[in-house]
Amino acid sequence: GDSVTQMEGPVTLSEEAFLTINCTYTATGYPSLFWYVQYPGEGLQLLLKATKADDKGSNKGFEATYRKETTSFHLEKGSVQVSDSAVYFCALKDTGGFKTIFGAGTRLFVKA
Amino acid sequence: DAGITQSPRHKVTETGTPVTLRCHQTENHRYMYWYRQDPGHGLRLIHYSYGVKDTDKGEVSDGYSVSRSKTEDFLLTLESATSSQTSVYFCAISEGRMGGAQDTQYFGPGTRLTVL
Repeated sequence: GDSVTQMEGPVTLSEEAFLTINCTYTATGYPSLFWYVQYPGEGLQLLLKATKADDKGSNKGFEATYRKETTSFHLEKGSVQVSDSAVYFCALKDTGGFKTIFGAGTRLFVKA
Repeated sequence: DAGITQSPRHKVTETGTPVTLRCHQTENHRYMYWYRQDPGHGLRLIHYSYGVKDTDKGEVSDGYSVSRSKTEDFLLTLESATSSQTSVYFCAISEGRMGGAQDTQYFGPGTRLTVL
């Protein structure tokens, strides 16, 4: 079945450092790919998404490119801030399905 | 922000008691979901609904039941709570457009349930 694998955390960075969180997926169809973010004490919220191969999703300085050849959707940000400290979830949703498949989440700590 | 509320936000109960969590949406979205979030397990789908009175099981449905009598409300019931059901519970909604692959899920703020 469909699945999502993302790098284990926690990831600890200093402010202004470059961020990469790896995500790979397995899917039988042509899924859409998502990154969700969860700030402390809150529910998940959409950060960005890409709906077909080679699409780049971007938001708030974060980017991720849908790579079908490597089945990957890595999240990147050029310069992280303390306010980016959160848990990041990679997810996929396949065509015709009702369910979204989530990765286990990666916790990011950014130090001032 | 999507209009999703969950009640209660916090609950402490004892083993063996029934518990009902409520999710209410004002977006008129077709799909509603219940997840639980536990350390080391990420988000796990309990049940979901694709319309009024239309529900189906997720990956961890044992010990839980759901009901949806109106578009805006989705109830999660623990018939006889156990300590293993201590968790944070999230409700989510999505539009359910044709094809569905592009659907974004919108999450409620969560309910922290402790079963003693």
